[in-house]
Amino acid sequence: EAEVAQSPRYKITEKSQAVAFWCDPISGHATLYWYRQILGQGPELLVQFQDESVVDDSQLPKDRFSAERLKGVDSTLKIQPAELGDSAMYLCASSPAGRPLGYGYTFGSGTRLTVV
Amino acid sequence: QQQVKQSPQSLIVQKGGISIINCAYENTAFDYFPWYQQFPGKGPALLIAIRPDVSEKKEGRFTISFNKSAKQFSLHIMDSQPGDSATYFCAAGYAGGGADGLTFGKGTHLIIQP
Repeated sequence: EAEVAQSPRYKITEKSQAVAFWCDPISGHATLYWYRQILGQGPELLVQFQDESVVDDSQLPKDRFSAERLKGVDSTLKIQPAELGDSAMYLCASSPAGRPLGYGYTFGSGTRLTVV
Repeated sequence: QQQVKQSPQSLIVQKGGISIINCAYENTAFDYFPWYQQFPGKGPALLIAIRPDVSEKKEGRFTISFNKSAKQFSLHIMDSQPGDSATYFCAAGYAGGGADGLTFGKGTHLIIQP
């Protein structure tokens, strides 16, 4: 079964350092999403890409977060500088373009970030 | 702010019983309502989804009931099994195309006791 690949699985970083997460969506999926899931909460959308273009980044804290998907395939989410409140699971998801009726996202297993 | 309110926060059900989780939404423009199941250390996985043009959808032991006028929907798990123990999230959004990110509830931690 096709999977969304994310790395690293775990990351511990010091406050004020830079950190980056990588996501490789399911082959052929044009739409890619980054979500943040704080422990005990539901996922919250950070950014949505359609191919290499940003569709929605209204919830992305742009002063410290950036995301790119240069060739419309894999994607990188960066935080600089990291703050203690950024500790969370960062989830990547993908879907075919237009998300055909009844087709949900496929989530990766996430990157667990701890900021110390 | 577009919100999805989910209850209860946690639920304990005996094996073979019915598990019921409820959600309420605010934005009447939402037209896609999925439920996700998440096991520890894993990403959420789509369980079942419904559009507002139907009041109920059933897939195996899982049923979504949808009340458009009340802006509420619920997940029923029949014959609950220990393997169903997980965190369940309801969500709401748009069926597809454009900005179709989902708004998730805060989750329900379900424990099925053998």
